[in-house]
Amino acid sequence: GEDVEQSLFLSVREGDSSVINCTYTDSSSTYLYWYKQEPGAGLQLLTYIFSNMDMKQDQRLTVLLNKKDKHLSLRIADTQTGDSAIYFCAENGRAGNNRKLIWGLGTSLAVNP
Amino acid sequence: NAGVMQNPRHLVRRRGQEARLRCSPMKGHSHVYWYRQLPEEGLKFMVYLQKENIIDESGMPKERFSAEFPKEGPSILRIQQVVRGDSAAYFCASSPGTGGNQPQHFGDGTRLSIL
Repeated sequence: GEDVEQSLFLSVREGDSSVINCTYTDSSSTYLYWYKQEPGAGLQLLTYIFSNMDMKQDQRLTVLLNKKDKHLSLRIADTQTGDSAIYFCAENGRAGNNRKLIWGLGTSLAVNP
Repeated sequence: NAGVMQNPRHLVRRRGQEARLRCSPMKGHSHVYWYRQLPEEGLKFMVYLQKENIIDESGMPKERFSAEFPKEGPSILRIQQVVRGDSAAYFCASSPGTGGNQPQHFGDGTRLSIL
């Protein structure tokens, strides 16, 4: 079946890099997404990657995709306290569209001063 | 350009009452999705609508829950005869289309508390 797994917690020091990992099961997924949720707020789209790409960079964010291992990661460079949030990984599954995304449970990132 | 707007942000109801949650999609978006989020759990898909049509309601409980997206006005998620288990955060998302490169954008949610 379709499944997305993430580790639940990550703690880093301010200024270090954070790497949040995600594994998925559906090799037919064409798009994978990263969202950020701050306390009391909705999910903010951070970035997404097409499955024929290995890497995508956007300012402090780097997404790496290993399609063979079905592994996705989000690297945040120079992590700041404002990056403390829950990060969700999602894939669009075999449907190939964005209608019914499959979500991980989220990784709670704590940034320590 | 306003994002997805949900109201109210917080809603308190007593058991047996009705809850109505509203969602105005981003400008230019005609696709709306509703999700429920429980503490310590991820997002659970409930329903996907386009203007005036329910496309996929496979995640909606069979009873008490309904959704609509009228030609004019916001999308509404309606919960009748609420029970304690309905307490959750309800999120709405919208997109301009259904392509994988047209990702969903979320509102800030409605936190529903049942007394």
